[in-house]
Parts: sequence; C-alpha cells; structure tokens
Amino acid sequence: ENVLTQSPATLSLSPGERATISCRASQSVDIYMAWFQQKPGQAPRLLIYDASNRATGIPARFSGSGSGTDFTLTISSLEPEDFAVYYCQERKNWPPLTFGGGTKVEMK
Amino acid sequence: EVQLVESGGGLVQPGGSLRLSCAASGFTFSTFWMHWVRQAPGKGLLWVSHIKSDGSVKFYADSVKGRFTTSRDNAKNTLYLEMNSLTAEDTAVYYCVREMGADHRYGAVFDYWGLGTLVTVSS
Repeated sequence: ENVLTQSPATLSLSPGERATISCRASQSVDIYMAWFQQKPGQAPRLLIYDASNRATGIPARFSGSGSGTDFTLTISSLEPEDFAVYYCQERKNWPPLTFGGGTKVEMK
Repeated sequence: EVQLVESGGGLVQPGGSLRLSCAASGFTFSTFWMHWVRQAPGKGLLWVSHIKSDGSVKFYADSVKGRFTTSRDNAKNTLYLEMNSLTAEDTAVYYCVREMGADHRYGAVFDYWGLGTLVTVSS
C-alpha cells in the first residue's frame, strides 16, 4: 500500500496569503496524484488531477505540481471560501486507492 | 446534471448488516466505473471498494474484504454496498463516487461525489 504523508497538518493563514501543501508518497506515482477540497458537512471536491490539471470549474489560483513521490498544492492568494481541509490521493498503485491524512487550512 | 444520492444508512448493532444504495442520474451510469469511499467522524478519507462499469471486476480494501460486497444494477442506475459483520470501526459517512470519464478513460479520478450516508455501528 502506498502511504501518502501530507504536511503540514494545519496551516494558519490570512486571506490573500499563499498556501502551500505538500504530499509525499512512499512509492512513486508518476504524475497520478489528485487533490481534493472538503468543507465541513460537504463531500470532497476534485481540484487537481494528474498532478497539475485543474478540474472543471476550479479557479486558477489553485495549482498543482510534482512527480514521482513529491507533490505540492498551491493556493496563490487565499479567498475566504478556501479555508477547508485538503487531501491528496494517488491512483497509480491500486488497489488499494489511498488518500493522504489531510491538511487543514484555517484562518489566522 | 450529474447526481449521486446515497441512502440506506442508519444505526446498526455490532455484527449486523446494512445495504447502502446510490441512485445515479444525469449521465450514462452503465459506462462508468464506480467507487465507495468512507470517512469516519472527524477522520480522513478511506477508499472502500470499486466496481467496473459492467460489474465484472470489483476490488476491496483489506479492512472490508470478505464482509462487504459491491454490486450494481445498470438497468436501475443504482450502485449498492452490502455490509455484513459490522463493527464500530465501520462507523462512517459512506460516499458513492464516480470516476471522471466513461470506461475508465482517466483512471481512478473522482469527479463526482454523493452527499454521503451515515452508518453508525453501536449497541
């Protein structure tokens, strides 16, 4: 099983600041990494797939990068609606499909 | 508009059984691979199972293998999760999830999620 380790666990930032979230995989996933946003009481929403492709309707302030075992989700300038929990997920080495433990982006 | 609506959750005693359903609409259900993902209260996401578009291939997480069975009825546009021998560790919101692109075109990229149904295992 491919273990995905996200860091930091919590990110305390203000609106307008840049958020950078890391996801490290225990085995290479090539580019097959996705990122999701989840707000309280809601289902996860796909933001990025295959490391850097924005999903339909996702604003350009969200970007993804990386390959192999190290990936980054960047939010260039936080909007109030971006405060949420973010998860990475790989799809190369399955089953099982695995998710990272999550990173909470909270308002400072 | 794509919609996935789960139902069937509730309170069940340890050792009990439950069947979840997911009604799909707004897309050609019979051509999409589908998954179940769960989330224990206050915890992260855990992939549970998958089923190919025609139902011929299924994969399960080790934690549910032998206890859970995924199936689908393409004529009714419905996905199912039969859960047996439930324990407290199975308490979670269960999400029905669609892959992006028919016939596994993009692989296991999850583009649509239902709102989930809560399963609580407790005596």
